Amino acid sequence: QSVLTQPPSVSGAPGQRVTISCLGSSSNVGAGYDVHWYQHLPGAAPKLLIYGNTHRPSGVPDRFSASKSGTSASLAITGLRGEDEADYYCQSYDITLSDSVFGGGTKLTVL
Amino acid sequence: LQLHESGPGLVKPSETLSLTCTVSGFSITTTNYYWAWIRQPPGKGLEWIGNIYFTGSSYYSPSLESRLTISVDTSKSQFSLRLTSVTAADTAIYYCARTPSNGDPNWYFDLWGRGTLVRVSS
Repeated sequence: QSVLTQPPSVSGAPGQRVTISCLGSSSNVGAGYDVHWYQHLPGAAPKLLIYGNTHRPSGVPDRFSASKSGTSASLAITGLRGEDEADYYCQSYDITLSDSVFGGGTKLTVL
Repeated sequence: LQLHESGPGLVKPSETLSLTCTVSGFSITTTNYYWAWIRQPPGKGLEWIGNIYFTGSSYYSPSLESRLTISVDTSKSQFSLRLTSVTAADTAIYYCARTPSNGDPNWYFDLWGRGTLVRVSS
């Protein structure tokens, strides 16, 4: 059971918009710690998509955006492409656990 | 910038798992960058192991702290992981990564190695 809760899977057709939620608690996301998002294709190095809740690193398309409110955060992907099919993880810090924590991951399928 | 993990792919139960991450294209002594280990057990999600600064200052996951040592060798541009008394539960892909941070726990991992699979089995 991950400290940050993500849906196991989401799907969408090419061109559509999908969102992935990340539900935390008052000891992590709700405590004001930042949420970060990663894209992970099997066999490849995970890639940072969003840091500091909303910031995109250089080179990440603006089709990827994120937000945070209260104890939860979400990642939105617009203009879905086949190359977006991957696992997505959120990450934050938990003050009670004194641990950097990841969500369980969400598998995105492009139909 | 590249990070490359290396080490044995098979470790026996109760023995020590040792991995090294070699950093190239970027100075490991650059200020405000920590260096991290993260792992992913088969079929499971990502798990943070720990971070280290080039000075040797480190942060460990509480769940692994009693078995864990992370060290840095700036002359070789490497940092290393040592995990003692391993069990099958330590079987995972182990990743090294770069962490922009001033020590604030709002850290994230902006560049990752491709990972190396370590199996714990007799």
